[in-house]
Formats: sequence, C-alpha cells, structure tokens
Amino acid sequence: SAVISQKPSRDICQRGTSLTIQCQVDSQVTMMFWYRQQPGQSLTLIATANQGSEATYESGFVIDKFPISRPNLTFSTLTVSNMSPEDSSIYLCSVKLADWWGEQFFGPGTRLTVL
Amino acid sequence: DAKTTQPPSMDCAEGRAANLPCNHSTISGNEYVYWYRQIHSQGPQYIIHGLKNNETNEMASLIITEDRKSSTLILPHATLRDTAVYYCIVRPPGSARQLTFGSGTQLTVLP
Repeated sequence: SAVISQKPSRDICQRGTSLTIQCQVDSQVTMMFWYRQQPGQSLTLIATANQGSEATYESGFVIDKFPISRPNLTFSTLTVSNMSPEDSSIYLCSVKLADWWGEQFFGPGTRLTVL
Repeated sequence: DAKTTQPPSMDCAEGRAANLPCNHSTISGNEYVYWYRQIHSQGPQYIIHGLKNNETNEMASLIITEDRKSSTLILPHATLRDTAVYYCIVRPPGSARQLTFGSGTQLTVLP
C-alpha cells in the first residue's frame, strides 16, 4: 500500500490569489494524479503528473490555471492559480504503485474555499 | 472506458448485508470492475476488483454476472462506519489508465 499526505489539509483564500498543494508519498510510485471534487459532486481528473516532464491535462483543464510539478517519484505539487469562488473544491492526490496492479490510492484531500 | 450505472442512494440496516448493484452493459473483454468508497471528508478507498470470477476479501465480496454486464458489491455485515458513497468503475488494466469516477451510490447504514 501507499501512505499519501497532502498539505495543506484545508485553506481559505482570497479571489485572485494562488495556492500550491503538496502531495508526498511514502514510497516511489509509477503514476501520480490530481483530482478535483466540487461540492456534492464526484471526482474529476485534472491531470497526470509526469516525472521530469510536463503534466498531461484532461479536457477542460489547462496548465496556466493548474500548473503541476513532479520533481521525483514521491512528490508532486498542484497550484491553483488566479483563484475564483468556482475553484472552491476538494483537491485530491492519487497514486498507482505498479504497472500491473490496478489498485489506486488516494490522499486525504485539500479542502479549498475561495472567497 | 465502459460507462457504469448505479442507483443514487440505498439504505441498509446495521448488521444486515448491503448489496450494491452496478450495470456496465458496454464492458469490454479486458476491462476490470473496480469498487471504491468515499467516506465523508476522506479520499476514496479501494475495496475490491475483479475480471469475471467472483472475488472476496476482508472487506467485501464482488459478484460479476456471467455475461459481465452487471455486478454486485456485497458488504456481508454492514456497520455504521460503512456509510459512504460507493463507486463502481470499469477500466482496462495498464499503468496509463487512471480511474474515472461516476456519480456512485450513497449507502446509508441505519442503526
């Protein structure tokens, strides 16, 4: 299994500012992902964080708004830029350990409120 | 990935078996069925997965129909802590594929 921690666990931010969320895993992982969960909704994949290269974004998400870094196999950051109240969500980091095993693990999430 | 259909909500009495259905009529031959759950204010938690045989682990059992077009997750003795949103997901194996979540079933275990 994998133990995933996220910082901060929650934050309240002002419109127009940016917040960087950190994801730390206790072991090296093959794949890292970032999801968003808007209030009362299911999870939506934002992007796949690629080590040493640009993240792969899903439709509707762009690098300028959600820049992602992954400097090594255990750490990634997601920045929510130029925030608006519509960005208020829970942001979750997720990992896969190996190519052949289907289990995917999730962090506890970061609850973001934008005023 | 194949689309799944789940009832939006279900209730279950504490101590009884909870049977959560999922339809995946367009599932392909190499796609697995995964179940995750999300307890309020936590990240999703893996429960079980299977291809075509029934599977059981310490948390639950997964029953997949012979034509693989539907499945049922069984929690044999539901407790109040099993109250959560349960997601049924189908996808092929491989490192490039991440989970795609539908709307899930809100299971409420009643005392």
